[in-house]
Amino acid sequence: DVKVTQSSRYLVKRTGEKVFLECVQDMDHENMFWYRQDPGLGLRLIYFSYDVKMKEKGDIPEGYSVSREKKERFSLILESASTNQTSMYLCASSWPLSNQPQHFGDGTRLSIL
Amino acid sequence: GDSVTQMEGPVTLSEEAFLTINCTYTATGYPSLFWYVQYPGEGLQLLLKATKADDKGSNKGFEATYRKETTSFHLEKGSVQVSDSAVYFCALSNNTNAGKSTFGDGTTLTVKP
Repeated sequence: DVKVTQSSRYLVKRTGEKVFLECVQDMDHENMFWYRQDPGLGLRLIYFSYDVKMKEKGDIPEGYSVSREKKERFSLILESASTNQTSMYLCASSWPLSNQPQHFGDGTRLSIL
Repeated sequence: GDSVTQMEGPVTLSEEAFLTINCTYTATGYPSLFWYVQYPGEGLQLLLKATKADDKGSNKGFEATYRKETTSFHLEKGSVQVSDSAVYFCALSNNTNAGKSTFGDGTTLTVKP
């Protein structure tokens, strides 16, 4: 079974802090994704990576950056956290084929105070 | 671009009732279609998929048929249980989209005993 592990289930940070969310997958997937999930807004793609050191902006990249130095690890960085970044963050991975599903972690609920 | 429209929720049913959650899509070419389920406090997990027209995906008593003529992929279950209470997401993935998926907004289902 594919395992996607997010480093924290719950995280509380302060405005202006630099925040790192980590995600690790164990299936050698090329693709990895970061989403945020907010009530009434569904899933919104923040960033997408299709290989080591390769990344592509999603629908809402402002205020975020990502790092993928190793194939199994994809990090989301909030450069200077703000209260409007309080949300549920979901990481996913997949093969680069349209008939393959994405595999999700359990999410990190991030609160910015 | 690609899009997915899901039946708005929330949906509340009594145990053993019949469930339908409507999903229609707009896409170029021949996308693969997916239903994901998100139980409280967890990430999304694949429920079922169909990769070509007239395919029927099924899992845990849920079914959905890929209807190209109506661009639909409606989710059905004959008799729901309290444990089916969750958020359900319809999604598509296209060959033209480098492995990314387009998600619907999600439908919250609550099943009462």
